[in-house]
Amino acid sequence: GESVGLHLPTLSVQEGDNSIINCAYSNSASDYFIWYKQESGKGPQFIIDIRSNMDKRQGQRVTVLLNKTVKHLSLQIAATQPGDSAVYFCAEMPDSSYKLIFGSGTRLLVRP
Amino acid sequence: AAGVIQSPRHLIKEKRETATLKCYPIPRHDTVYWYQQGPGQDPQFLISFYEKMQSDKGSIPDRFSAQQFSDYHSELNMSSLELGDSALYFCASSTRDSRRGQYFGPGTRLTVT
Repeated sequence: GESVGLHLPTLSVQEGDNSIINCAYSNSASDYFIWYKQESGKGPQFIIDIRSNMDKRQGQRVTVLLNKTVKHLSLQIAATQPGDSAVYFCAEMPDSSYKLIFGSGTRLLVRP
Repeated sequence: AAGVIQSPRHLIKEKRETATLKCYPIPRHDTVYWYQQGPGQDPQFLISFYEKMQSDKGSIPDRFSAQQFSDYHSELNMSSLELGDSALYFCASSTRDSRRGQYFGPGTRLTVT
């Protein structure tokens, strides 16, 4: 991933609204994509993943969409809560590799 | 449930000093990964180990080295520290057959002055 410096893109939403966080990935050979949530001073926490042979996967309040044509990944959070405030990273895992390549983070702020 | 343990949590060193970061993976996890995260940046993969052997290598400086021991814990050794090495260093662990299941530790915050 490339550095985004100190100014992360920020998404501000009202509590209870849905949030959509977008991510572009770089390697068309990647076969796993994962969304992580990182709270201040903590390590990334797994949210949801999707394999490259899928377009959509749903979890509890979260949905990940994968568009391989344009190498785009999105995370949808339903009924956003204050506890969802964090930085969200997408990560890709190239085929036959075990390393994660993180994309640029997005800071989600939930207004009460 | 047991999580990944990293020590120390905070470390302050001066330029040109050395530092050793330790990582204790989740029990029964045989693979460890090291990532570096600068202020406001995304985590960058450094290196990974499986069964004490290096399995992947990323953007790890030559001044850094790492190893995995027989009990699966890992150490990241950093020498000739530079100001730019100040960052959060995360260790993650997984089982080899679960590529997607990387669990991250709380990180070590290294400050080089």
